[in-house]
Amino acid sequence: DQQVKQNSPSLSVQEGRISILNCDYTNSMFDYFLWYKKYPAEGPTFLISISSIKDKNEDGRFTVFLNKSAKHLSLHIVPSQPGDSAVYFCAANSNSGYALNFGKGTSLLVTP
Amino acid sequence: ETGVTQTPRHLVMGMTNKKSLKCEQHLGHNAMYWYKQSAKKPLELMFVYNFKEQTENNSVPSRFSPECPNSSHLFLHLHTLQPEDSALYLCASSQDTGGASNEQFFGPGTRLTVL
Repeated sequence: DQQVKQNSPSLSVQEGRISILNCDYTNSMFDYFLWYKKYPAEGPTFLISISSIKDKNEDGRFTVFLNKSAKHLSLHIVPSQPGDSAVYFCAANSNSGYALNFGKGTSLLVTP
Repeated sequence: ETGVTQTPRHLVMGMTNKKSLKCEQHLGHNAMYWYKQSAKKPLELMFVYNFKEQTENNSVPSRFSPECPNSSHLFLHLHTLQPEDSALYLCASSQDTGGASNEQFFGPGTRLTVL
């Protein structure tokens, strides 16, 4: 049973606009959430994370929002750039666990 | 060399072959992981090693055999694989396991094709 879900397999956004990638989770024990970015033929690279004690974390153009009551997090990219085109994975972990639970990923395409 | 490296990057093998995948991390991390990524599926955790001890074996068939001789090196020994084992095999490492210590750094992966 998948505990981390990314229900949109793909997203297309124009350059300069906002990209919003969504992620839902089912396990209330998760307390740490991460976003990874993956280009073809490369391994995933860590992008940004958020602890469950926060509801927002910002790093440059990337902001992650966490809504614990809804068990939902989102990644905002503003402004989107063509180089952001990649697959984005949401992952979650609990402090007592050692396995990152990954979603299936959302393929983002930023068009010029 | 920095980060997490994996060799080979591509591997084609027959079902009767024996081969090994190698992973090396230069980050001073204590935990290392093997993941499998098949098309249109989430990353599947296979094995976890923490301080060279295997702490997780996620119901992986015995035709996959991990080895962790030290905290910097991780191997995945393959024998009598099936065509459905064709996938991208990713190695990752993290400072430790659990919570913020589990920010995992991934290698580029080995693209395995089983004929």
